[in-house]
Amino acid sequence: NAGVTQTPKFRILKIGQSMTLQCAQDMNHNYMYWYRQDPGMGLKLIYYSVGAGITDKGEVPNGYNVSRSTTEDFPLRLELAAPSQTSVYFCASALIGTNTGELFFGEGSRLTVL
Amino acid sequence: EDQVTQSPEALRLQEGESSSLNCSYTVSGLRGLFWYRQDPGKGPEFLFTLYSAGEEKEKERLKATLTKKESFLHITAPKPEDSATYLCAVTGRGSYIPTFGRGTSLIVHP
Repeated sequence: NAGVTQTPKFRILKIGQSMTLQCAQDMNHNYMYWYRQDPGMGLKLIYYSVGAGITDKGEVPNGYNVSRSTTEDFPLRLELAAPSQTSVYFCASALIGTNTGELFFGEGSRLTVL
Repeated sequence: EDQVTQSPEALRLQEGESSSLNCSYTVSGLRGLFWYRQDPGKGPEFLFTLYSAGEEKEKERLKATLTKKESFLHITAPKPEDSATYLCAVTGRGSYIPTFGRGTSLIVHP
């Protein structure tokens, strides 16, 4: 199993550009999450999904959109990029209901908006 | 609203010098408290889940304990490879959305 795979690992955007961060998991997990991590600020939840076709906002959803058309994929869309979106983005998944519910994380996508 | 506070923010130890990291939390009914390890440039990696006060779990040089208000991650005789950021997270009853603390950055000098 590859686990949680995120692409790209690094990206530089200009203000106003848009892009999609890709996330895929091959563990048949039902829950998936997007977090952003800023220096000294911990992990902030952007969006999460409890299954295909179901998504919900987290703590910091403004400027982002998600979709979950399959169990495996959970892309994060950034529209009209702003410098405040410069961060490291982590996708995670969890199998809720049959185990302890720990999250499995991808290696992160480092985004810089100039 | 669930809250998690970790202390200290940073900790420097000499190899073999045991210490503890603290995670204080407030949550409306604890479902689980989680510890993760994060290496530079990597995603967090799961270490432990604790469910109720008095519970303890161990893994190599790490032992996690839980009370009704806080959790400790004890590191016994640390080695340089234990250097990492340690994150604590909680989920409240009926929720599977963890709230994370800001982490403790641990550096172990040889």
